[in-house]
Amino acid sequence: SAVISQKPSRDICQRGTSLTIQCQVDSQVTMMFWYRQQPGQSLTLIATANQGSEATYESGFVIDKFPISRPNLTFSTLTVSNMSPEDSSIYLCSVLHGGGNTIYFGEGSWLTVV
Amino acid sequence: AQKVTQAQTEISVVEKEDVTLDCVYETRDTTYYLFWYKQPPSGELVFLIRRNSFDEQNEISGRYSWNFQKSTSSFNFTITASQVVDSAVYFCALSEANSGYSTLTFGKGTMLLVSP
Repeated sequence: SAVISQKPSRDICQRGTSLTIQCQVDSQVTMMFWYRQQPGQSLTLIATANQGSEATYESGFVIDKFPISRPNLTFSTLTVSNMSPEDSSIYLCSVLHGGGNTIYFGEGSWLTVV
Repeated sequence: AQKVTQAQTEISVVEKEDVTLDCVYETRDTTYYLFWYKQPPSGELVFLIRRNSFDEQNEISGRYSWNFQKSTSSFNFTITASQVVDSAVYFCALSEANSGYSTLTFGKGTMLLVSP
């Protein structure tokens, strides 16, 4: 299995600020993704983090709000920009690992915007 | 229409009871993968099982078992002799060819509360 570390694990942020979440994997992976889980809800895919090119965003998510970097095959960042209380969520990094198409998740980053 | 339906929003049981969490999915693909994840209150998503569409054998892992039935598009999860530590939200999820089997469509989750 893959070990996926996220930082920060929790944070309380002021409205209007931006926060960058880091995702580090213990092995090289081809595919990395970011999901959002709003309070009491299921998980929704934000984007695919592409190494060496711009991220691919799902409907309803835009680069200006959620810029993503993927400088190498083990690391990615997600920035939540100009935060509002509606951005209070758990943000989870995900990777496709191994030949068996198993999808693993990081521990999640729990953001509260006040 | 939802692609993954977990009709049970919340289930409460007493320790040592058996409990089954239902999952019904919808896909046009012939090849797909089904997953179950556990999300305890701490928030991390713990991988439990992955099953491909060609393998309909039931699987047992300790107190956990899974019943995959293509005929009814269901992939149900049973916990035998439940324990308080099983209390969590459980998500069923589907990956399909259009994402290269790399991303997941999740159900809304079932919250399981196991009381002593």
